[in-house]
Amino acid sequence: AQKVTQAQTEISVVEKEDVTLDCVYETRDTTYYLFWYKQPPSGELVFLIRRNSFDEQNEISGRYSWNFQKSTSSFNFTITASQVVDSAVYFCALSEAGTGANNLFFGTGTRLTVIP
Amino acid sequence: DAEITQSPRHKITETGRQVTLACHQTWNHNNMFWYRQDLGHGLRLIHYSYGVQDTNKGEVSDGYSVSRSNTEDLPLTLESAASSQTSVYFCASSPLLTGNTGELFFGEGSRLTVL
Repeated sequence: AQKVTQAQTEISVVEKEDVTLDCVYETRDTTYYLFWYKQPPSGELVFLIRRNSFDEQNEISGRYSWNFQKSTSSFNFTITASQVVDSAVYFCALSEAGTGANNLFFGTGTRLTVIP
Repeated sequence: DAEITQSPRHKITETGRQVTLACHQTWNHNNMFWYRQDLGHGLRLIHYSYGVQDTNKGEVSDGYSVSRSNTEDLPLTLESAASSQTSVYFCASSPLLTGNTGELFFGEGSRLTVL
């Protein structure tokens, strides 16, 4: 069965520090998709990124970067030079081609607090 | 602008009552989903639909039902509300898999309290 583990429940950093949010997944499917979503204090869920299982290239988008490693079943998310606006709950999620690529299974989330 | 809206945003009800949460999207997306969010559990899939007249059970479907009579709406019904169903409920939609990015478009959430 699929599973997503975000072992870090809460993280606090001082503004401008770098921070990495960990995500470990389990799946038996060979075709799967990994996601990160952000939930700011206002409560909405904001899509950040999707990767498929055949594309292990790391990705950078501004201050955000993602490290996908199939060998360790991890899809970690790094924020460089954190800002107060990065304070949010971040969810990692997994979907499988076999059970519906749009059916996302979410981790329990990591609450990031950036202290000014 | 296209959007996805949920109503009501907040509701308090009593144990045993029937409750319906509405979800309406104007993107003409085929796929629609209901999730619940609870501390320590993240978001869990309740029901989903890939099109009109199609409904499927998710991870935590017991006590919930949905119906899809048109593309725009997927109402979630709690037949007999229980205190364990106190939660924040999110509706989401997405276009057909082909060509999409896998992004789910979420509503703003409905906070339900069952007393």
